Amino acid sequence: DQQVKQNSPSLSVQEGRISILNCDYTNSMFDYFLWYKKYPAEGPTFLISISSIKDKNEDGRFTVFLNKSAKHLSLHIVPSQPGDSAVYFCAATSYDKVIFGPGTSLSVIP
Amino acid sequence: DAGVTQSPTHLIKTRGQHVTLRCSPISGHKSVSWYQQVLGQGPQFIFQYYEKEERGRGNFPDRFSARQFPNYSSELNVNALLLGDSALYLCASRAGHTNYGYTFGSGTRLTVV
Repeated sequence: DQQVKQNSPSLSVQEGRISILNCDYTNSMFDYFLWYKKYPAEGPTFLISISSIKDKNEDGRFTVFLNKSAKHLSLHIVPSQPGDSAVYFCAATSYDKVIFGPGTSLSVIP
Repeated sequence: DAGVTQSPTHLIKTRGQHVTLRCSPISGHKSVSWYQQVLGQGPQFIFQYYEKEERGRGNFPDRFSARQFPNYSSELNVNALLLGDSALYLCASRAGHTNYGYTFGSGTRLTVV
């Protein structure tokens, strides 16, 4: 059973436009949600997180929105840059466990 | 500052063999977790250790074991290797019981032939 889902395996966006990556989850007991970015041959890099009691968190070009009633979160990247091209993992924490989604591969086209 | 370091970076083993993967957390980080990432999937949680005690275990068989040492470094051991154990094994550390911001190493690529 997949508790964290990312239904879009890939996404292409023009440089300068907004990238929106989506994530759905099933477990209402998750307390934090995180986004990680991964380049080939590297480990995932932490990007931004949001507590389950918040509905928005912003850090520079990155904003995460949480809709608890829909069990849905999204990562907005504005403006998108070619260096943002990577695989993005949505993750959620429950106790001491981090559960990852399958990832969305983002390509930002110059 | 050194990040999370893992060794070896690549490893080839034969079915039925045993393997030990090593991880050194960021200095001052007391919590270490292990993840398995198969191509095309997100990392799957294997173990979490905090202050040398196991604090969480994922849905992996008993062939997988781990331990954390007094200096907070950690080992992941896998016995009786199967072809399906071929994956990228990631180690991550964090300072304490914060619920975000694990720092990951670059991983060990294990190939079982």
